Amino acid sequence: QVQLVESGGGLVKPGGSLRLSCAASGFTFTNYHMTWIRQAPGKGLEWVSYIRSRSSYTNYADSVKGRFTISRDNAKNSLSLQMNSLRAEDTAVYYCARIKWNDDPAAPDYYFDYWGQGILVTVSS
Amino acid sequence: SYVLTQSPSVSVAPGKTARITCGGNNIGSKSVHWYQQKPGQAPVLVIYYDSDRPSGIPERFSGANSGNTATLTISRVEAGDEADYYCQVWDSSSDQGVFGGGTKLTVL
Repeated sequence: QVQLVESGGGLVKPGGSLRLSCAASGFTFTNYHMTWIRQAPGKGLEWVSYIRSRSSYTNYADSVKGRFTISRDNAKNSLSLQMNSLRAEDTAVYYCARIKWNDDPAAPDYYFDYWGQGILVTVSS
Repeated sequence: SYVLTQSPSVSVAPGKTARITCGGNNIGSKSVHWYQQKPGQAPVLVIYYDSDRPSGIPERFSGANSGNTATLTISRVEAGDEADYYCQVWDSSSDQGVFGGGTKLTVL
């Protein structure tokens, strides 16, 4: 069965860095785009970033662009999120998720069919 | 960027029908996906491509999308359906995911 397990969360000071990891199993990792989504305490879901299956193409939410870097290691079935210059407003539970998509390259449409259990990142002095 | 608008809360008695809406400019031209999130748990996909159900999701969950509003309908509501529900689209112009603010479903 599909499993996504996040790790690497914790408490970090403003301006600090943290690297999240997501270990994937139960499916052919190289065939899927992957994404990070976060949820601030008591708030809604916010899409953060995604990376395509076999290429280096990535994209980010405007709120994290230039500070966060998503990457993947297909040999290790692993997804990562390097978070730099962290701010208090980055405090959230971070979920990794698998992306499913349609077959139309002209109008890609993505949704998230499996999610990890989430990992808490707290940015505070 | 594309904006999705959901009502903060919906209340329904057990056995009745709950309708949760998601508004967006010409949202009917996009595919809408819905997630259920219970307290302390990760979200779970309940509807994709407007009206398709993943395996394991009861037939009581259905979706529709037209004009400026997408709707998630839960028939014969049960206590276990109490949760937050989020709509989501993919904004192809920015190549970014977009979520609605979420609707808290309360079963009276």
